[in-house]
Amino acid sequence: KAGVTQTPRYLIKTRGQQVTLSCSPISGHRSVSWYQQTPGQGLQFLFEYFSETQRNKGNFPGRFSGRQFSNSRSEMNVSTLELGDSALYLCASSLGRLAGGHSTDTQYFGPGTRLTVL
Amino acid sequence: AQKVTQAQTEISVVEKEDVTLDCVYETRDTTYYLFWYKQPPSGELVFLIRRNSFDEQNEISGRYSWNFQKSTSSFNFTITASQVVDSAVYFCAFNKFYFGSGTKLNVKP
Repeated sequence: KAGVTQTPRYLIKTRGQQVTLSCSPISGHRSVSWYQQTPGQGLQFLFEYFSETQRNKGNFPGRFSGRQFSNSRSEMNVSTLELGDSALYLCASSLGRLAGGHSTDTQYFGPGTRLTVL
Repeated sequence: AQKVTQAQTEISVVEKEDVTLDCVYETRDTTYYLFWYKQPPSGELVFLIRRNSFDEQNEISGRYSWNFQKSTSSFNFTITASQVVDSAVYFCAFNKFYFGSGTKLNVKP
């Protein structure tokens, strides 16, 4: 079974531009979650999509948005890039099952997209 | 709010030493899940284990073992007879989305 794939792997943008990152989940997985990883802030949750709907959201500004398509593939968009947006962006997929109303199932991560903002 | 603390920022050991990575969490939930992931230098997080709050049995998988103690809100990870290939950043996570800051493990030959 193919793993989670993310494209592109590396990206260089300048301040003020916007960027779109793509994530293809493991076949059969309906949940896709996005994370930002930086040396200073660690691994921070951005949002989770399940069946084309945003199900959970972290504490990021509205410049960060996402969507999910009917085939479960997901995209993340960052508008008006800032220097602080430079990070490794990780995507993870899971079946999307809930336990006690919480998303708790095992997720599998992609290799990430390294975004550099100049 | 949920919180996960990995107080050890970086640990260095010599090959074949045993090493324990600590993870402490805070929650008011009675049902929850805990995870450990490994992030080697290549960058991709690798799933290691998932445990639910009702199962306090210790888990052993080869050289890896996990000690879950609800009384102290801890879910510690021990690598026995460490190897150079164990060098990585290890993350503890609570309920899928809440990650600790990670512990970087350096295993020297």
